[in-house]
Amino acid sequence: KAGVTQTPRYLIKTRGQQVTLSCSPISGHRSVSWYQQTPGQGLQFLFEYFSETQRNKGNFPGRFSGRQFSNSRSEMNVSTLELGDSALYLCASSPVLNTEAFFGQGTRLTVV
Amino acid sequence: EDKVVQSPLSLVVHEGDTVTLNCSYEVTNFRSLLWYKQEKKAPTFLFMLTSSGIEKKSGRLSSILDKKELFSILNITATQTGDSAVYLCAEEGGSQGNLIFGKGTKLSVKP
Repeated sequence: KAGVTQTPRYLIKTRGQQVTLSCSPISGHRSVSWYQQTPGQGLQFLFEYFSETQRNKGNFPGRFSGRQFSNSRSEMNVSTLELGDSALYLCASSPVLNTEAFFGQGTRLTVV
Repeated sequence: EDKVVQSPLSLVVHEGDTVTLNCSYEVTNFRSLLWYKQEKKAPTFLFMLTSSGIEKKSGRLSSILDKKELFSILNITATQTGDSAVYLCAEEGGSQGNLIFGKGTKLSVKP
């Protein structure tokens, strides 16, 4: 069974640009969560989707948004990038809500 | 505010040593506590604990939860260099039901 797949693996963007990251969950998993990981803050929850609906949202500004498609694949978008958005963005999938989450390899975003 | 605190933040041991990693939490609507191992990028799932006092074991790793005292420990016996990683503790609960992670414990196992 294929694991969680995130694309791209690495990304370099300029301040002010926008970026879209993609996550394909494990087959059959319907819940997808996104996390931002930085050395100072650790892993912080961004949002969670289940059956195309956003179920939870973390304390991030509105520049961070996401969506989930009918095949459970998810995208997250960050607009008007800031230097502080440089981080590892991790996606995790679960079969249903409130079960153990399985993580992808992440997308390393660098904003210059 | 819900939070998860791990200790120590870092630890250096020699192969063969036994280590205990700590995780304490303050949370509303507790559902479960999870342990992950992060070597390079993707955290890999280790254990999910929901009941107090029941030890979960996988090879040299074991974990237990104390819901009264609000903490969990992760034990690794006979450590190997391959155990070197950041170990993350996460609590599932709170008002949003998402995972709340601690900052992690960085374990370095020297040959």
